[in-house]
Amino acid sequence: QKEVEQNSGPLSVPEGAIASLNCTYSDRVSQSFFWYRQYSGKSPELIMSIYSNGDKEDGRFTAQLNKASQYVSLLIRDSQPSDSATYLCAVPEAGSYQLTFGKGTKLSVIP
Amino acid sequence: GAVVSQHPSRVICKSGTSVKIECRSLDFQATTMFWYRQFPKKSLMLMATSNEGSKATYEQGVEKDKFLINHASLTLSTLTVTSAHPEDSSFYICSAGRPESTYNEQFFGPGTRLTVL
Repeated sequence: QKEVEQNSGPLSVPEGAIASLNCTYSDRVSQSFFWYRQYSGKSPELIMSIYSNGDKEDGRFTAQLNKASQYVSLLIRDSQPSDSATYLCAVPEAGSYQLTFGKGTKLSVIP
Repeated sequence: GAVVSQHPSRVICKSGTSVKIECRSLDFQATTMFWYRQFPKKSLMLMATSNEGSKATYEQGVEKDKFLINHASLTLSTLTVTSAHPEDSSFYICSAGRPESTYNEQFFGPGTRLTVL
């Protein structure tokens, strides 16, 4: 059974620092990886997708993928209090839209 | 693009009544939609996969006669909670896969908060 592992946190970083969120996955054939952000009481929001080894940058967010080591990470530069949320790592089933989620890492950015 | 809406956003009902929640993909056609439930401070729990024109596939432990799912068109799936009880109070979230997406992302609706008195 496919597994996606994340540190549950909470991860606390000061405002302006870099927040680093990590995720490992068990299925070597996984091709794509997603990061969702979920604010308390709200639904998840897709913030990053990554498919190729290496880095993908979007504004203050950088996703890093290393398929050989089976890990994907999310870096948030210049962290803001508004980044405080739970970040979910997700991997789709092969040929399907169904996702396997990690349990999420709760991030707190301290002003 | 990839906007998913849900209606209603919040509903309060009496025990024993049925509640219908609608999930719509607004700017794309979704052959597959998903229904999740989330209790406070808990992880998302997949309830069922809804495929347009066919019966939904329910996850183990989810009562299909209690949680009726209908995916009648490529832009609409509905979840009906029948004979709701207080233990059904939860945050219900739908999501949809966009066929144009190469890598099978899911896009989530804003959720429906159900309170059963």
